[in-house]
Amino acid sequence: SQQGEEDPQALSIQEGENATMNCSYKTSINNLQWYRQNSGRGLVHLILIRSNEREKHSGRLRVTLDTSKKSSSLLITASRAADTASYFCATERGNQFYFGTGTSLTVIP
Amino acid sequence: GAVVSQHPSRVICKSGTSVKIECRSLDFQATTMFWYRQFPKQSLMLMATSNEGSKATYEQGVEKDKFLINHASLTLSTLTVTSAHPEDSSFYICSARDWVSGSNEQFFGPGTRLTVL
Repeated sequence: SQQGEEDPQALSIQEGENATMNCSYKTSINNLQWYRQNSGRGLVHLILIRSNEREKHSGRLRVTLDTSKKSSSLLITASRAADTASYFCATERGNQFYFGTGTSLTVIP
Repeated sequence: GAVVSQHPSRVICKSGTSVKIECRSLDFQATTMFWYRQFPKQSLMLMATSNEGSKATYEQGVEKDKFLINHASLTLSTLTVTSAHPEDSSFYICSARDWVSGSNEQFFGPGTRLTVL
């Protein structure tokens, strides 16, 4: 399968805590992107990290990439109830995207 | 960011009928669009890459005669689920890339929920 693996599959935290999600993939990549999906809705692009980058920040989001381990992590700091959603990593090879299995995040108010 | 629309957003049909789903890039030209399928609580699976003016490229295991893709213009790709069966019930999402602007971002449609009775 070309799909990546994410863990945990589900994560439940209290508002204000940090949430960390991990993504592992199998092949070499051009870049890796993280997306958010609210239940039954389309995807929202969060952040892109290129294969030659190791860390990237955007607001409360921090993404790391370790190409030697073929893994990435997404950290959401100071979580809010509105962050409740599913989060997917997607790797790009050539022209195509392949999505990870996703992490379902629940932030309890 | 660029906008991609899908129509319809939700469709319910009887087994054996065909359903057409449209994907439009509203403010940019998309030479390439992608179709994904997502089952409940699962990830998006790439079904096919739709190329304007040429045949679509299907992922392994996806039946091209079952899922007909047409990309007749730079702003429209259609996915037709032929002779739909209950196991085809899923969330279908399209995406498009804005190659002209040089952006590497892929813009996703809001999805179409297909329920086959």
